[in-house]
Amino acid sequence: DGGITQSPKYLFRKEGQNVTLSCEQNLNHDAMYWYRQDPGQGLRLIYYSQIVNDFQKGDIAEGYSVSREKKESFPLTVTSAQKNPTAFYLCASSISGRYQFFGPGTRLTVL
Amino acid sequence: AQSVAQPEDQVNVAEGNPLTVKCTYSVSGNPYLFWYVQYPNRGLQFLLKYITGDNLVKGSYGYEAEFNKSQTSFHLKKPSALVSDSALYFCAVRDGDGFNKFYFGSGTKLNVKP
Repeated sequence: DGGITQSPKYLFRKEGQNVTLSCEQNLNHDAMYWYRQDPGQGLRLIYYSQIVNDFQKGDIAEGYSVSREKKESFPLTVTSAQKNPTAFYLCASSISGRYQFFGPGTRLTVL
Repeated sequence: AQSVAQPEDQVNVAEGNPLTVKCTYSVSGNPYLFWYVQYPNRGLQFLLKYITGDNLVKGSYGYEAEFNKSQTSFHLKKPSALVSDSALYFCAVRDGDGFNKFYFGSGTKLNVKP
């Protein structure tokens, strides 16, 4: 079955620690996205990538980094510079700007 | 600038009654409009989209939405609500003339009571 997988489902981070969230898709989609979801604030775009080896900052990129070495993979690193990382993180993909297909999400909690 | 507004944080409806979840948008080019649903601790699921054509769009699970260009609205509707429809609903817009970037509303929590 085609889809998007995100791992882990739950992640705990200590203060000052970098963590990486995985996102993999087998839909052959060109574009991939990372969103952050906080209660009552909807989805905010962190980074997006339209092709391999290219990505752009979204609205809240500070404290985050990404890479796009393969079409199928778009990992997100939450660095220690992100002061309030506790949130639900969603990865999505799309082809030619049609509707986005979302992964199941990763819930990150800072201890 | 592109933006989406969902004016209601929460909508309450009785099971069997029609439901409407409101959305208004602002884009500089031709709008591509979408509705998604999210159940607790899950990703978003696509319901329907408007790209061009008929103003009334039919989607999954009996949902439909009406595109109104003059009012810049794209309200989600369903003739008869089910308790299982209770979830968080998001409207999104993409600028049809621009890059593959989507803008989401803040979400509307739908509560369907038996």
